[in-house]
Amino acid sequence: NAGVTQTPKFRILKIGQSMTLQCTQDMNHNYMYWYRQDPGMGLKLIYYSVGAGITDKGEVPNGYNVSRSTTEDFPLRLELAAPSQTSVYFCASSWGHRGNTIYFGEGSWLTVV
Amino acid sequence: KNEVEQSPQNLTAQEGEFITINCSYSVGISALHWLQQHPGGGIVSLFMLSSGKKKHGRLIATINIQEKHSSLHITASHPRDSAVYICAVNFGNEKLTFGTGTRLTIIP
Repeated sequence: NAGVTQTPKFRILKIGQSMTLQCTQDMNHNYMYWYRQDPGMGLKLIYYSVGAGITDKGEVPNGYNVSRSTTEDFPLRLELAAPSQTSVYFCASSWGHRGNTIYFGEGSWLTVV
Repeated sequence: KNEVEQSPQNLTAQEGEFITINCSYSVGISALHWLQQHPGGGIVSLFMLSSGKKKHGRLIATINIQEKHSSLHITASHPRDSAVYICAVNFGNEKLTFGTGTRLTIIP
């Protein structure tokens, strides 16, 4: 099993550009999450989804959008990139939210200049 | 407010030492996770606990629900254990709240 796959691993964006971080899981998990990790800080939840067609905001959703058209895919879109969005982004998934192991992607390093 | 606190922030020890990392949380939880993040960034789940104790190899995780506290222990520590260890908690909903992590360095 591939687990949770994120692409790209590294990306440099100019201010105002847009891009999509891709996330795919092959474990048939219902729950999927996008987090960002800033230096010295804990992971912060951007958006999450409890199943295909259902998404909800986390702690830091501003400047981002998501969709969940299939169980497997949960892309994160950055609109009008800003330097404050320079961070490491992690996609994660789990079967349920209580008492279930959470699986993370390898991370995507994004720099906005 | 739902909060998770870890201690220490940084820990350096000699190879072979017994390591303890602590995690405290503010209110009742449905589950607590211990995660490991290696240099290069990948995050791996070590344990998920809702009560008691779990052991996997040289790693032991315990949780005391009444005291709202969990510990991660590493026996016979090795340089390959050097990583950031993160405590994350489900406060009864879909979302995890993360501690800021403990950076562990094991010196040969």
